[in-house]
Amino acid sequence: NAGVTQTPKFQVLKTGQSMTLQCAQDMNHNSMYWYRQDPGMGLRLIYYSASEGTTDKGEVPNGYNVSRLNKREFSLRLESAAPSQTSVYFCASSPADQGRDEQFFGPGTRLTVL
Amino acid sequence: QKEVEQDPGPLSVPEGAIVSLNCTYSNSAFQYFMWYRQYSRKGPELLMYTYSSGNKEDGRFTAQVDKSSKYISLFIRDSQPSDSATYLCAMSVSGGSYIPTFGRGTSLIVHP
Repeated sequence: NAGVTQTPKFQVLKTGQSMTLQCAQDMNHNSMYWYRQDPGMGLRLIYYSASEGTTDKGEVPNGYNVSRLNKREFSLRLESAAPSQTSVYFCASSPADQGRDEQFFGPGTRLTVL
Repeated sequence: QKEVEQDPGPLSVPEGAIVSLNCTYSNSAFQYFMWYRQYSRKGPELLMYTYSSGNKEDGRFTAQVDKSSKYISLFIRDSQPSDSATYLCAMSVSGGSYIPTFGRGTSLIVHP
C-alpha cells in the first residue's frame, strides 16, 4: 500500500519550458489536490478534484492546468514555466466524500525554474 | 487577518520536555481539526484529528480544542529529538467540506 506517490522527485527547468507532475493514490479516495509550499507561505492550494471528472481552482491556479485522468491519478501541468513557480509541490488525497477531511500527502516534487 | 494563525517558531526545547503547539482561528464554524507533522524535505503526515470540542489522546500526543476561545493545541509529552519537525494545524467547517484551511506551521526543535 504505497499511499500517494509523485513523480518526479526533483526537476530543473528553464524559463518557458513545460512539464507535467504526476500523482497517483491507491487509497480509493475520491478527492485529490495539488498544493505548492514556499518558505513562510505555508501550503497553498493550486487545484483540486472533488471527484473523478471534476476539477476546480484553488487559491493560486494561474500558470497551471490539471487533469484528473481517472480515480487514481491527478496530474499538474506547467505550460510555460516561470521562476515564480520554483517551489515544492505536494499532491494529496482525501476521503472527503465520506465526511472526512484528513488529507494524505505525497513526498513532494522539488521544482526549480531558472 | 488569516483565518488560521500559527506561530512559526522555531520552538526549541530540551529532550523530555512537554511541548505545547497552538493555533488560533477566526471562523467560529470550524468543527473539524487536524494536526500534521512534516519532517524536513518530506510531505506532511496526519498525526491526529478531532471533531468539535474536547481532548483526544494518542500515545505521547494529545490534541485539545477550545471552541469558546477559538484555540487548538497539540501537546507532546516526553519529547524526543525525533519529534523535531514542523507541525501544521488544519481545520474545516465540517467533515466533507473538501478544502481544509491550513496554518503555516510551527518549527519544533528538540535537542538532546
